[in-house]
Amino acid sequence: QVQLVESGGGLVKPGGSLRLSCAASGFTFSSYVMSWIRQAPGEGLEWISYISISGSSIYYGDSAKGRFTMSRDNAKNSLYLQMNSLTAGDTAVYYCATGSQNYYYIDVWGKGTTVTVSS
Amino acid sequence: EIVLTQSPATLSLSPGERATFSCRASQSVNSYLAWYQQKLGQAPRLLIYDTLNRATGIPARFRGSGSGTDFTLTISSLEPEDFAVYYCQQRSDWPYTFGQGTKLEIK
Repeated sequence: QVQLVESGGGLVKPGGSLRLSCAASGFTFSSYVMSWIRQAPGEGLEWISYISISGSSIYYGDSAKGRFTMSRDNAKNSLYLQMNSLTAGDTAVYYCATGSQNYYYIDVWGKGTTVTVSS
Repeated sequence: EIVLTQSPATLSLSPGERATFSCRASQSVNSYLAWYQQKLGQAPRLLIYDTLNRATGIPARFRGSGSGTDFTLTISSLEPEDFAVYYCQQRSDWPYTFGQGTKLEIK
């Protein structure tokens, strides 16, 4: 079945870095635009970034620009998010996601990986 | 950035009643608006896309309407499993944004 499994979350100190991964299965990963969406504790949803099918085009929201780098490896059916200069404001559940009918309406979500930034 | 404002923040209703959620955009999003349902500890679930189209497997009691800047999600007769948080989302302009959510609670 269609599945996205995130990993790489954890506790990191302010200013630190973390690399999230997302393993895709059950669908043709190389044919889908992929996104990272996060949700701070008790808060709403924020679309952080998305990447084109080939990986040549990447779009970042303001909170991610200059600090986060999204990438994909279609041969490995994997998506990545390198996060640098982390602050407490980056504490959230990070979801790997895509839309099966329309890339920008998300109906395929991972379970999320939790990132906690704290000293 | 397009800001989506949802109202009310909380809706208190009983099973069998009709629920109406509002989402207002800071500028026109045409018809590029979706609705999601999220239960505690779960990822969101897509309900409605492009204003009025139900996603796969979504019951007919969920209906979306609106255009431009004002949108509505209606649940015609609430079932016990409908009590959750509901978000709207626009894909008209990057960054794609979500509303802050409306919590539907049991009265």
